[in-house]
Amino acid sequence: EAAVTQSPRNKVAVTGGKVTLSCNQTNNHNNMYWYRQDTGHGLRLIHYSYGAGSTEKGDIPDGYKASRPSQENFSLILELATPSQTSVYFCASGDPNTEVFFGKGTRLTVV
Amino acid sequence: AQSVTQPDARVTVSEGASLQLRCKYSYSATPYLFWYVQYPRQGLQMLLKYYSGDPVVQGVNGFEAEFSKSDSSFHLRKASVHWSDSAVYFCAVSAGGYKVVFGSGTRLLVSP
Repeated sequence: EAAVTQSPRNKVAVTGGKVTLSCNQTNNHNNMYWYRQDTGHGLRLIHYSYGAGSTEKGDIPDGYKASRPSQENFSLILELATPSQTSVYFCASGDPNTEVFFGKGTRLTVV
Repeated sequence: AQSVTQPDARVTVSEGASLQLRCKYSYSATPYLFWYVQYPRQGLQMLLKYYSGDPVVQGVNGFEAEFSKSDSSFHLRKASVHWSDSAVYFCAVSAGGYKVVFGSGTRLLVSP
């Protein structure tokens, strides 16, 4: 079973601060994703990566950066956090035409 | 652009009753189609998927879905729901690229 681990699971950040959400996968998947989940919007894609060293913009990339330093790790970075970025963030990895495996999510609150 | 529409934000059914959750997609070709489920405070898990062949596909825990090209739909069904099926269900589409597009989700509540 594919394992996707996110840290932290919960985070409270101050407006204007920097936040880094981390994700690790142990199944050697090339593709990794960051989504945010908000009521009424479902899951929206922020950034994705198709291998170490690559990052691509998803549908809502503004205010977010991503980093893929290795096959296993994919980080989401909020350089200047804002209250509108309060959400639940999910990391995922896998083949989009076969199956994508999700982490348990990070609940981020920006105050 | 690909899109997925789940018209029902919430569905309530009685335990033991049948279930249908609706999903319509917009894409020029036949995409890969999925249903995922999210239990409370968990990530999403895949229930089933379809690309070609028999339009009715079976998934885990008694779920099935039927693909209709003419209707651009991929509805999820279950003959008899259990209280443990209460969750949020997402229809999703992949069109051969790198990403999966999810619908807004349907929250299912199974009442005793």
